[in-house]
Amino acid sequence: DTAVSQTPKYLVTQMGNDKSIKCEQNLGHDTMYWYKQDSKKFLKIMFSYNNKELIINETVPNRFSPKSPDKAHLNLHINSLELGDSAVYFCASRKQTGGTDTQYFGPGTRLTVL
Amino acid sequence: AQSVTQLDSHVSVSEGTPVLLRCNYSSSYSPSLFWYVQHPNKGLQLLLKYTSAATLVKGINGFEAEFKKSETSFHLTKPSAHMSDAAEYFCVVRAGGTSYGKLTFGQGTILTVHP
Repeated sequence: DTAVSQTPKYLVTQMGNDKSIKCEQNLGHDTMYWYKQDSKKFLKIMFSYNNKELIINETVPNRFSPKSPDKAHLNLHINSLELGDSAVYFCASRKQTGGTDTQYFGPGTRLTVL
Repeated sequence: AQSVTQLDSHVSVSEGTPVLLRCNYSSSYSPSLFWYVQHPNKGLQLLLKYTSAATLVKGINGFEAEFKKSETSFHLTKPSAHMSDAAEYFCVVRAGGTSYGKLTFGQGTILTVHP
């Protein structure tokens, strides 16, 4: 009965590869987010989707492409991985319409690029 | 624009003594403010939130925070620290208006609790 889940939990890959991280929420929320936590533990928003529509797109390299097949899923695809992409990526969700301000976070995906 | 400053990167206390983690914010709109906790190698858990109701907010595990608009502060306190409180704490602001729920995180404060 996990609220926000992410797969995989750990991802180790070589520079130049393409990889995806998946996120699913079973809370019935309509808005989902991707955050990046760097090695200094600083968290910064990357993207947000509301009802499958992109609503927040921060200054992120276009090697990163989010995809929302439906309201319950928001996946993150990364092309041509670089060393600097190593971080922990957190997915979160919120009910924007008629909901609260609270965002619920997934457990994170630790990406290591070698 | 909105920003958050956590005034201490590390706080160290003894078990049973009070905890104070300081946070100042700036926001163009009436903000919502949150404290999240992250235990080592774990995800983020919401401790408490302020959303323009009572200025003194009580959260889980005995934590509370007071919203002070005049000081633009939202400090987190707990009367008596427990070993299990050792973690990293993030103060977070969400601006009102049309920010679509965009959260801005502070730099984090690592809390160490000594026996």
